[in-house]
Amino acid sequence: DTGVSQDPRHKITKRGQNVTFRCDPISEHNRLYWYRQTLGQGPEFLTYFQNEAQLEKSRLLSDRFSAERPKGSFSTLEIQRTEQGDSAMYLCASSRISGSFTGELFFGEGSRLTVL
Amino acid sequence: SQQGEEDPQALSIQEGENATMNCSYKTSINNLQWYRQNSGRGLVHLILIRSNEREKHSGRLRVTLDTSKKSSSLLITASRAADTASYFCATDGGNTGKLIFGQGTTLQVKP
Repeated sequence: DTGVSQDPRHKITKRGQNVTFRCDPISEHNRLYWYRQTLGQGPEFLTYFQNEAQLEKSRLLSDRFSAERPKGSFSTLEIQRTEQGDSAMYLCASSRISGSFTGELFFGEGSRLTVL
Repeated sequence: SQQGEEDPQALSIQEGENATMNCSYKTSINNLQWYRQNSGRGLVHLILIRSNEREKHSGRLRVTLDTSKKSSSLLITASRAADTASYFCATDGGNTGKLIFGQGTTLQVKP
């Protein structure tokens, strides 16, 4: 099994630009999650998918953020018109439901965004 | 917003000593999980304890859960320099994998 893969690992952009992050989960994991982590803090939930359906979005996810998982496999997280406050590590995780139990999450190495 | 508090925020010990980290949370949970994060890296799952369990072991790790006090503790025995990392507790209230993380404890193990 390969782990969760995220790309790019680092992104530096200017304020106002759009950025897109990609996440490839562990194959056959039907749930995929996006979290955001700022320096010195724990990760904060952004959104999650079950297969291709986006089941929940956090209030942290403003209109400038959009996430997709078009075929229930990889996912993208796009941030439009980036702001300096968007600078953070964006973490993707996946899990597999067993019966009704979700269990542990498997995290990728993250995509670090710096907005200048 | 974070679910709860972790205590201490930072911990420095000598190799071979035990490390204990505490986590408190605010709402009812389905399960509680502990993760480790090395600097600049992703999170690695350590152990999961369900709300109807009181204690769980995995290798050098021991986790306790007290739902009446809404608290959990993680004990790492016989610590090693490689245990140096940040440790986070995370609660799952709805068995969805939507985890609410604490702010973490930074552990430094000196060789």
